[in-house]
Amino acid sequence: GQQVMQIPQYQHVQEGEDFTTYCNSSTTLSNIQWYKQRPGGHPVFLIQLVKSGEVKKQKRLTFQFGEAKKNSSLHITATQTTDVGTYFCAGPEGGNKLVFGAGTILRVKS
Amino acid sequence: EPEVTQTPSHQVTQMGQEVILRCVPISNHLYFYWYRQILGQKVEFLVSFYNNEISEKSEIFDDQFSVERPDGSNFTLKIRSTKLEDSAMYFCADRVESFSGTEAFFGQGTRLTVV
Repeated sequence: GQQVMQIPQYQHVQEGEDFTTYCNSSTTLSNIQWYKQRPGGHPVFLIQLVKSGEVKKQKRLTFQFGEAKKNSSLHITATQTTDVGTYFCAGPEGGNKLVFGAGTILRVKS
Repeated sequence: EPEVTQTPSHQVTQMGQEVILRCVPISNHLYFYWYRQILGQKVEFLVSFYNNEISEKSEIFDDQFSVERPDGSNFTLKIRSTKLEDSAMYFCADRVESFSGTEAFFGQGTRLTVV
């Protein structure tokens, strides 16, 4: 079945530094979604990217979908302590379920 | 603000016991999902439910698992005879169309601990 890989597994940054997590799918995706999970919380939807090469921004967060629609990235500019959590990418499989990456844990030192 | 409500928030059970996890999804929605997350690991798909029927299930969702919508609103996940490895967070999710796309709208989750 479809596999979604995510790197890095863990990143610890100083507040104000940038952060990027990368996602790679074994198959071409119709779309890719990003979720954030705070420690002890549940996944919360951030964004969906649909078009090849698409770039979307949400304040300090920039999401990209690769030209081949197999990879994606999430970049956070000037991290804040409120950015702490695990960031997951997820791609649909079979039109009906999401296959999640392993997630990237972000820790921010103030 | 829509909400997906899960109960209980935490359940401790002995190995071999049956557990029922409950979810109240957003009303009038047809697509629901159950996912689980073993501590520190990724979110894994268990089963999807469309219009009161299972539409897809994963390899994890074996004969020990069942889902029901007993009264047309609540949505339950039953594990018949729990094993230690069933310890995990179980999330119910609704499919929601929003400005940002089609999302899985997760409940707060039930932490299941099997001892």
